[in-house]
Amino acid sequence: KAGVTQTPRYLIKTRGQQVTLSCSPISGHRSVSWYQQTPGQGLQFLFEYFSETQRNKGNFPGRFSGRQFSNSRSEMNVSTLELGDSALYLCASSLPGEKLFFGSGTQLSVL
Amino acid sequence: SQQGEEDPQALSIQEGENATMNCSYKTSINNLQWYRQNSGRGLVHLILIRSNEREKHSGRLRVTLDTSKKSSSLLITASRAADTASYFCATDELGDTGRRALTFGSGTRLQVQP
Repeated sequence: KAGVTQTPRYLIKTRGQQVTLSCSPISGHRSVSWYQQTPGQGLQFLFEYFSETQRNKGNFPGRFSGRQFSNSRSEMNVSTLELGDSALYLCASSLPGEKLFFGSGTQLSVL
Repeated sequence: SQQGEEDPQALSIQEGENATMNCSYKTSINNLQWYRQNSGRGLVHLILIRSNEREKHSGRLRVTLDTSKKSSSLLITASRAADTASYFCATDELGDTGRRALTFGSGTRLQVQP
């Protein structure tokens, strides 16, 4: 069974640009969560999608958005990038209430 | 905000020794999970302990949970150099809308010297 796949693995953008990250969950998993990891703030929850609906949202500005498709694949978008958005963005999928399976992440650098 | 806080922040031991990491949290939980992360990579689930359980074992891992003290500990016995990684506790709170976000602690960086 394939694991959680995140693309791209690395991304370099400049301030003001926007970026879209992609996540393909494990087959059969309908819950997809996104996390931001930085050295200063640690792992912070962005949002969770379940069956194409955003079920939970963390404390991030509206520049951070996401969506989930009918095949459970998910994307997250960050608009008007800021230097502070440089981070490892992790996606995880799971069955309801069970452990998370993480992808390898997308390392975003904003210059 | 972070629900769990790990202690110590960093730990360095010799191969063969045991490593103990502690986690404290603030609110009622449905379960508590431990994850491991190798540098710059995704997290790997190690073990899940439910709120009605007090101790759980998985191979060289032993996890305890004390809901009265809102704390958990992870013990790795007979450590190996390959155990070098960051370890995170995560709490799962069950809210009105169903499963809520898994909230991670700040992590313990474990270094096992060969």
